[in-house]
Amino acid sequence: EVQLVETGGGLVQPGKSLKLTCATSGFTFSNAWMHWVRQSPEKQLEWVAQIKAKSNNYATYYAESVKGRFTISRDDSKSSVYLQMNSLKEEDTAIYYCTWERLRGHYFDYWGQGVMVTVSS
Amino acid sequence: AIVLNQSPSSIIASQGEKVTITCRASSSISSNYLHWYQQKPGAFPKLVIYSTSYRASGVPSRFSGSGSGTSYSFTISRVEAEDVATYYCQQGSSNPFTFGSGTKLEIK
Repeated sequence: EVQLVETGGGLVQPGKSLKLTCATSGFTFSNAWMHWVRQSPEKQLEWVAQIKAKSNNYATYYAESVKGRFTISRDDSKSSVYLQMNSLKEEDTAIYYCTWERLRGHYFDYWGQGVMVTVSS
Repeated sequence: AIVLNQSPSSIIASQGEKVTITCRASSSISSNYLHWYQQKPGAFPKLVIYSTSYRASGVPSRFSGSGSGTSYSFTISRVEAEDVATYYCQQGSSNPFTFGSGTKLEIK
C-alpha cells in the first residue's frame, strides 16, 4: 500500500524557518518524481516544488512565489522528501501536501494527508 | 504561467442530473496534460481524470472529460450524493503546473 506521511508543520513567525518531511512507503522511492503542493485557507491549490530521481540528476523546480526561499530535497535511503522553508511569509500559510507523480504524466496520482503550516506573529 | 479559468465556481444539482464544469486555459496546452481532481470536505484531492479523458483507477464511469487546446470540460452524467465535493482542473503542460480555482458541487 502506498503511503505518504507529512510531518513538521506548525505555527511559525514571519521570517522564520520550518522543514517539512514526507516519509513514503509502498513504492520504489528512488525512481519517483516527488512534489509539494499547497492549499491556502481560501482553498486555492498551488504547486510548490518538484524533485526528480537520481537518473534525472535530482533536478528541482520551484514556483516563482517560493523560489530562493524554499528548497526541496530527498534522501533515497530513507524514502523521504523534504521541504526546507526559509523567510516564511504570512501568505505561505497553507496545508502542504506531499505528492507522487507515478506515471510521468505531470499529474499527482498519490497524495499525503497534508500538514498545516501557519505563519503568523 | 498558464492561468486556468474554471467555471462555474459553484453548482447546485439534483441527484440524477448531469453537470458540466469548464476549464479554459490562457494558452494552448497539450491534452495529455490536462487533469481533474475531486476534493471531498476534510480530505486531500483525489485524481479523477487524467490526460483530458482517462478515468483514474476505481473512478465510476459517470465521470468523463473532454477537450483540446484551451478549452476543456468535466462531466458527471448522473450526479449522486457521494459526488459532493470541490473539483479542480490542473495543467502539467508547462512549468509551473497550475490549478483552476475550483468548482463546488452541492446537492439540492
